[in-house]
Amino acid sequence: QSALTQPASVSGSPGQSITISCTGTSSDIGSYNLVSWYQQRPGKAPRLIIYDVNSRPSGVSNRFSGSKSGNTASLTISGLQAEDEADYSCCSCAGNTASFGGGTKLTVL
Amino acid sequence: EVQLMESGGSLVQPGGSLRLSCVGSGFSFSDYWMSWVRQAPGKGLEWVANMKYDGSENNYVDSVKGRFLVSRDNAKNSLYLQMNSLRAEDTAVYYCARDRGDDYGDYRLFNYFDLWGQGTLVSVSS
Repeated sequence: QSALTQPASVSGSPGQSITISCTGTSSDIGSYNLVSWYQQRPGKAPRLIIYDVNSRPSGVSNRFSGSKSGNTASLTISGLQAEDEADYSCCSCAGNTASFGGGTKLTVL
Repeated sequence: EVQLMESGGSLVQPGGSLRLSCVGSGFSFSDYWMSWVRQAPGKGLEWVANMKYDGSENNYVDSVKGRFLVSRDNAKNSLYLQMNSLRAEDTAVYYCARDRGDDYGDYRLFNYFDLWGQGTLVSVSS
């Protein structure tokens, strides 16, 4: 059960768009359209923001979008806002278990 | 309100044991698979274990197999994690999470976690 690979950090200015990548293998991301993304603010629990690669739960801003190509999934946040500053983690189906990325810290400059 | 609440975390010596609990409310607990997910200090999330809605099936990450045991009591809307032979590397915040997946007859594919508790801290140190 190996972890997915994410960049340690990304940054952007308010109003800009950023993209966070999540690289797996043919056994996880490459095999299933079952990728989810979580937002986590300091000291808080994770919050689901994307599932099924590109679906948003009720209440999540449409500024958040997801995509996938081959073994790599991506999270894009458009129109960056100060409140988006947080850690973001990807997660993929690995059969009947889950595999997470190491997390990416987003800094809004 | 739909929520999960963990308890039971504490400081324990290496080799010791601890039992975590998670209580769900505001939803039909017995209808859902449930998972434990942990996060070591400054590290990423790591799925630990899950259990089927009726308690008939469970899965574990390799690093805890034979040491941790997940169980549930649907009458009490509760999920448990019995942790034995604890090691320093088990130090983490442990989250309880509602585990959504897709069932295909004899097998199930994990999909996502849509509800999380606030977490409980387990520290393993002498």
